[in-house]
Amino acid sequence: KQEVTQIPAALSVPEGENLVLNCSFTDSAIYNLQWFRQDPGKGLTSLLLIQSSQREQTSGRLNASLDKSSGRSTLYIAASQPGDSATYLCAVRGGGNYGQNFVFGPGTRLSVLP
Amino acid sequence: DAGVTQSPTHLIKTRGQQVTLRCSPKSGHDTVSWYQQALGQGPQFIFQYYEEEERQRGNFPDRFSGHQFPNYSSELNVNALLLGDSALYLCASSFAPRNSPLHFGNGTRLTVT
Repeated sequence: KQEVTQIPAALSVPEGENLVLNCSFTDSAIYNLQWFRQDPGKGLTSLLLIQSSQREQTSGRLNASLDKSSGRSTLYIAASQPGDSATYLCAVRGGGNYGQNFVFGPGTRLSVLP
Repeated sequence: DAGVTQSPTHLIKTRGQQVTLRCSPKSGHDTVSWYQQALGQGPQFIFQYYEEEERQRGNFPDRFSGHQFPNYSSELNVNALLLGDSALYLCASSFAPRNSPLHFGNGTRLTVT
């Protein structure tokens, strides 16, 4: 059974800092991994999707890496801003049968202080 | 281009009642998945629909059922509501291929009293 953990559970940083969020998964037989952000009481916004054959993906100030063999992914946020404050979740999609569902981690709650 | 839309936004029900939640997928998407998110936790997979059939199911009881219509929209039905069913219910849509990303709606907040 796939299990996903995220460290730290919460993080508070001053504006302008670069930061790294961590995601670990127990079964390396994944198809892809997706990072999301969630604002309080809202749905999930897709940030980046990394296929199992890729090492990293970049979008603006965000960079996500994937090390499938070690079961780890990181989300790097450059020059953080107060608007980045949200909960960040990673989710992994397993290999195997068609349409394998995503398994989510519990999230990291990020606060960027002005 | 409309994203994933869910209705209603909020819902209050009494224990034992039944509820129906609705979802319209992002334009062009043909696969709909439903997730339950308890406060402070990550979403938990309920089931996935493609071509009007349930393709996969998570660890949820039969009280949870669904449907997908020919226009790809979907419904989630929960019977005999329990207090523990109180949660944010999220709908996600995607293209059928597994290499496509999930796109989520804003969810329906269900409170069972």
